[in-house]
Amino acid sequence: EVQLVESGGDLVQPGGSLRLSCAASGFTYNSSWMSWVRQAPGKGLEWVANIKQDGSEKHYVDSVKGRFSISRDNAKNSLYLVMSSLRVEDTAVYYCARAPRDYYFYDTSGYYINWFFDLWGRGTLVSVSS
Amino acid sequence: SSELTQPPSVSVSPGQTARITCSGDALPNQYTYWYQQKPPQAPVLVIYRDTERPSGIPERFSGSSSGTTVTLTISGVQAEDEADYYCQSADNSGGTFPVIFGGGTKLTVL
Repeated sequence: EVQLVESGGDLVQPGGSLRLSCAASGFTYNSSWMSWVRQAPGKGLEWVANIKQDGSEKHYVDSVKGRFSISRDNAKNSLYLVMSSLRVEDTAVYYCARAPRDYYFYDTSGYYINWFFDLWGRGTLVSVSS
Repeated sequence: SSELTQPPSVSVSPGQTARITCSGDALPNQYTYWYQQKPPQAPVLVIYRDTERPSGIPERFSGSSSGTTVTLTISGVQAEDEADYYCQSADNSGGTFPVIFGGGTKLTVL
């Protein structure tokens, strides 16, 4: 079965750290860009980070740069998110998602890059509170 | 940075057509993707590249694009379509590749 299963969510105090994991199965994991997307309680979706197939390229939303680190272990079909210096506003359900990269060609040689999310896990809840 | 604007809510009766819009200055130069989320479930991709439908998504879901506005259309709405819908694109104005989501639209089937 094609699926993503997150784990590691917990209640943590502000300033604390946490490591989220995502186990992938049923597809060629090492050929896929992967992402973390979060959703604060009652709020919309927010992309957090992306990582390339071999881990050589990573991107982060500005609000987590320097605090969060995305990584992967292709031998274990696993994705990780290490979160440090956690803030109350980081409270959210964190989703692991497969993130194919897409290209928008605006002329014969120029293009813009985007990603979209075609497979999602069920999410894991991170609560940051004292 | 660019933003994507969606109406907070749309209401339709069963069998009618629902149209959910997403507006943003970046949209003429990017593809848009649409997700359906039935809380507390995870989102599901329903439209990619403005108009394409993934396998398994009913034909009543369609997408269109015109200038700075893209539209998700659900024809012959069914009760099971009641959900939150999010558009997603990218902001290429800052030299990086941040993914951006709209604020979401709650579709109510009356």
